[in-house]
Amino acid sequence: QVQLQESGPGLVKPSETLSLTCTVSGGSISSYYWSWIRQPPGKGLEWIGYIYYSGSTNYKPSLKSRVTISLDTSKNQFSLKLTSVTAADTAVYYCARQACGGDSCLDYWGQGTLVTVSS
Amino acid sequence: EIVLTQSPGTLSLSPGERATLSCRASQSVSSYLAWYQQKSGQAPRLLIHDASNRATGIPARFSGSGSGTDFTLTISSLEPEDFAVYYCQHRSHWLTFGGGTKVEIK
Repeated sequence: QVQLQESGPGLVKPSETLSLTCTVSGGSISSYYWSWIRQPPGKGLEWIGYIYYSGSTNYKPSLKSRVTISLDTSKNQFSLKLTSVTAADTAVYYCARQACGGDSCLDYWGQGTLVTVSS
Repeated sequence: EIVLTQSPGTLSLSPGERATLSCRASQSVSSYLAWYQQKSGQAPRLLIHDASNRATGIPARFSGSGSGTDFTLTISSLEPEDFAVYYCQHRSHWLTFGGGTKVEIK
């Protein structure tokens, strides 16, 4: 059974960089696409970006200038960095695996981690 | 960018009733359409992928249909645990989510 677990600081100051890591267990990260998704309190889901096991990435256009997703196959982890954060970046952040036809769905999710941007 | 519009925003039904949720895409998305269920405080759970295929372990009362721009998630007879928020999602060059439909107890 594949499991994903997000980790990282729960509080980030405005203008600083949000950094999260997703650890994958029960399966190898060396295949599939791996995504980050976020959900502001009381709102809907927003896809942030994905990384392929080869290292290629794709980001939501409105976040592209601030986002970097990277992969560490030796640790079976992938990571998210979001720079210059503001209160609007306060959200529960999820990592997930893409699968299904065309790698179009998210079949395994982490439990999510709340990141609050505040001074 | 493809926009997914879900309707209604809220559906008020009683246990045992049939729920019909709609997801409309701003342009054709072939069959790469997924549905998720999210309960309060939990991560979303995949219900349906490729428009009509139930994910592993999902009860048969959940079904998906549609193609092109119009998709439907049907819950044939609501169980108490089905009251939640449901999202549709598509992948083109990016991944896009609909705004969600809340299914609440009437």
